[in-house]
Amino acid sequence: KNEVEQSPQNLTAQEGEFITINCSYSVGISALHWLQQHPGGGIVSLFMLSSGKKKHGRLIATINIQEKHSSLHITASHPRDSAVYICAIFGNQFYFGTGTSLTVIP
Amino acid sequence: GAGVSQSPRYKVAKRGQDVALRCDPISGHVSLFWYQQALGQGPEFLTYFQNEAQLDKSGLPSDRFFAERPEGSVSTLKIQRTQQEDSAVYLCASSIGTSWADTQYFGPGTRLTVL
Repeated sequence: KNEVEQSPQNLTAQEGEFITINCSYSVGISALHWLQQHPGGGIVSLFMLSSGKKKHGRLIATINIQEKHSSLHITASHPRDSAVYICAIFGNQFYFGTGTSLTVIP
Repeated sequence: GAGVSQSPRYKVAKRGQDVALRCDPISGHVSLFWYQQALGQGPEFLTYFQNEAQLDKSGLPSDRFFAERPEGSVSTLKIQRTQQEDSAVYLCASSIGTSWADTQYFGPGTRLTVL
């Protein structure tokens, strides 16, 4: 049983497209993080959410605590956005999704 | 240093060998986390330190895994009698405060391959 489910697992988009990555979880949480991992690279924390919505540049993250669901949106996608996006939740311990591999084609 | 550093970046060990993986967190960061990431999977929590105190080690997969942070800064993850299933990337992260919800800053990871 996975406490965190992400969809889709893989996503290919044309440059400029609007992208949505979804995260659903099954336990009570105090915070949810969206992380970005480039191939062969380290992990960067994009957002920490406990409620509502956050925006940073072309990235928008939302969370619905009642529905136990979060989404990460990328507007005007660019090839440099190609990476694995990981949803991580913090309740009584840490749980990570398996990631969504995004490829943006020029 | 500007970020979290880990060494070595790559480690190849023969089955049965002991290995030690080092993490240098951001200076002044109180919290330090170790994660294990198998190929194609998301990270999995191993252990957590607040300063020198190991407050949670529930994710360590067996008693062959041991972590320490004796002076509340640098941390070492030691794996004894390595097995092939230990092959993974070991990630270290630090955060400035004591809340598990604080932003974590990740190191580049150590890729361990056990032959």
